Amino acid sequence: AQTVTQSQPEMSVQEAETVTLSCTYDTSENNYYLFWYKQPPSRQMILVIRQEAYKQQNATENRFSVNFQKAAKSFSLKISDSQLGDTAMYFCAFIFPPLGGTYKYIFGTGTRLKVLA
Amino acid sequence: DAMVIQNPRYQVTQFGKPVTLSCSQTLNHNVMYWYQQKSSQAPKLLFHYYDKDFNNEADTPDNFQSRRPNTSFCFLDIRSPGLGDAAMYLCATSRAGAANEKLFFGSGTQLSVL
Repeated sequence: AQTVTQSQPEMSVQEAETVTLSCTYDTSENNYYLFWYKQPPSRQMILVIRQEAYKQQNATENRFSVNFQKAAKSFSLKISDSQLGDTAMYFCAFIFPPLGGTYKYIFGTGTRLKVLA
Repeated sequence: DAMVIQNPRYQVTQFGKPVTLSCSQTLNHNVMYWYQQKSSQAPKLLFHYYDKDFNNEADTPDNFQSRRPNTSFCFLDIRSPGLGDAAMYLCATSRAGAANEKLFFGSGTQLSVL
């Protein structure tokens, strides 16, 4: 079974500091994709960053970067220079080629991040 | 500029009274998903449509049904809501075919069951 685990239900960080959210997953697939989604309070969930498993280079999007360790099945999100607008629930997600049909996401339980002024 | 719209934002229903949640999209995406999200839990996929093809998850209760009359609209029907069905319901869309396609989410409908 494919699973995604986020072991930090809640975290907080001071504005302008750096924070790392952890995510581990379990799969027997070799070809898959990993994502971090952000869900601000009362707003839509949006994509933060994505990583292809076949790429060794870690993905980066402005202040957001990942540390992808394929052998360890770990996919952490680093937020640099944290801003108040980063306060949100963050979900790690995993997608793999289906046995026919549509790709389906498997989500972790989320980490609630609060950025403190 | 809204792309995935869910109505209503909040829905209150009575135990056992049928309720319908709606989702519309302006992206012309092939795939539409319905997720159930309970507090402190991962979003749980209920079912999805690939164009007109309906795909139900094995553990989705029969109480949950869906309709997609056209590309733009998708409905979630809960035939006899129970207290355990109180949750946020998220609609999402994606283009078909590529594994790295991101999901576009609506703002969700928070369902309360009294």
